[in-house]
Amino acid sequence: EDQVTQSPEALRLQEGESSSLNCSYTVSGLRGLFWYRQDPGKGPEFLFTLYSAGEEKEKERLKATLTKKESFLHITAPKPEDSATYLCAVQAWGGFKTIFGAGTRLFVKA
Amino acid sequence: DAGVIQSPRHEVTEMGQEVTLRCKPISGHDYLFWYRQTMMRGLELLIYFNNNVPIDDSGMPEDRFSAKMPNASFSTLKIQPSEPRDSAVYFCASRGTANTGELFFGEGSRLTVL
Repeated sequence: EDQVTQSPEALRLQEGESSSLNCSYTVSGLRGLFWYRQDPGKGPEFLFTLYSAGEEKEKERLKATLTKKESFLHITAPKPEDSATYLCAVQAWGGFKTIFGAGTRLFVKA
Repeated sequence: DAGVIQSPRHEVTEMGQEVTLRCKPISGHDYLFWYRQTMMRGLELLIYFNNNVPIDDSGMPEDRFSAKMPNASFSTLKIQPSEPRDSAVYFCASRGTANTGELFFGEGSRLTVL
C-alpha cells in the first residue's frame, strides 16, 4: 500500500535558521511527488512537483530534492511568513490518486 | 479564475441530520477530488471523479457517505445520517489532465456534528 511519512511533526526555528523537512515514501511506481503549503483555515497550496530521483526544484527560500525513498524540503534563512504546515504527497502510476503525509508544522520566530 | 469554490464554509448540525457539501471545480478541469482532514488522520482521499464519472471511491468510510457529480461544474458530498465522528474539514480539489499533476484546493467546509 502506498504510504507517506513526514518528520518531524513540528519544527520551531529562529528567523534565519536554515533546516530541512523529511518525507519518506513507499509507492508502487512513482508518478510524482508533491509538496504543498497549508496555512491555518485554508486549503493546501501547491509548491513543487518532483518526478525522478536526483531532481531538484527551487522557489524563493525553499528547495525540494528527491531520492528513490525520500524527499527533503530545505528552508534557507526562513522568515516568520514561512510559518505553515508543509505537506508531502505521492501519486503512483495507474491512476491519479494522491496520498498525503500528516505534514510538518513549521514555526519561525522573529 | 475564481478557483475551486466550496460551500458552506462552516456547518454545525446535530447527529442524525443530513449534510450536503458542495463544490464547483475550476473551469476546464476534468478531475475532481474530495478529501477529509482531521488532526488524527490528516488528509484522507474519499473519492475522485474523471469527466464526472467516479473512478475510485475506496476511501468513502461507509454507506452513509455518497458523492455525485451531475455535470462538469458541480459536485456534492452527502452524509446521511451524520455522526459526531464525521466532524472534520472537507476539501474539494480539481486538476486538469494537461498540468503537472498538482491539485487545486478549495478553502474547505468545516463540519461539526453535535
